[in-house]
Amino acid sequence: EIVLTQSPGTLSLSPGERATLSCRASESVSSSHLAWYQQKPGQTPRLLIYGASSRATGIPDRFSGSGSGTDFTLTISRLEPEDFAVYYCQQYGSSPSFGQGTKLEIK
Amino acid sequence: QVQLQQSGPGLVKPSQTLSLTCAISGDSMSSNSVAWNWIRQSPSRGLEWLGKTKYMSKWYNDYAVSVKSRITISPDTSKNQFSLQLNSVTPEDTAVYYCARDFRWSFDSWSQGTLVTVSS
Repeated sequence: EIVLTQSPGTLSLSPGERATLSCRASESVSSSHLAWYQQKPGQTPRLLIYGASSRATGIPDRFSGSGSGTDFTLTISRLEPEDFAVYYCQQYGSSPSFGQGTKLEIK
Repeated sequence: QVQLQQSGPGLVKPSQTLSLTCAISGDSMSSNSVAWNWIRQSPSRGLEWLGKTKYMSKWYNDYAVSVKSRITISPDTSKNQFSLQLNSVTPEDTAVYYCARDFRWSFDSWSQGTLVTVSS
């Protein structure tokens, strides 16, 4: 099973700042098979990015994804108050798996 | 717009069977471009994919190794829904359970989730 490790565990930033979240895979992942989700307390995960860099329907363009192989990044260009949440990466290899999450909190 | 509505008990006794159903609206279970999944989330295990069912001329199931000996996912095309059965549960199976659609190798529609507690 492919293990995804996200860093940092917690990221403290202020609204308007840029956020960079990392996801590292234990072995190479096809870019088509890498996705990012946002989850707020008490809510269901929401798909943000699929195929490593394609935004899901209705996702603002301040969210962008990049990377290939074993290293992937989610960038939020200018943080809005509603962006503070937990973010997960997910791979869809032979058996789908999720990272442990990065908590983005208000500084 | 796809909507997934799950139902089932929130409390299951140890050693018994956890059963949940996910009713689909806005899409067909037999669509061959998507798969229908069960995922759970707990503080100790995080988000954990359990398995899926997919129609590709016939029904095909795939399960996570961690639960493979205990899980069954069954489609019901007459009701456009699918179900999860997890046998021989223990307190470690306590989690929020979700059903989800996967399309383009990501989970784009999720149910509201059900907290299932395994306790006597």
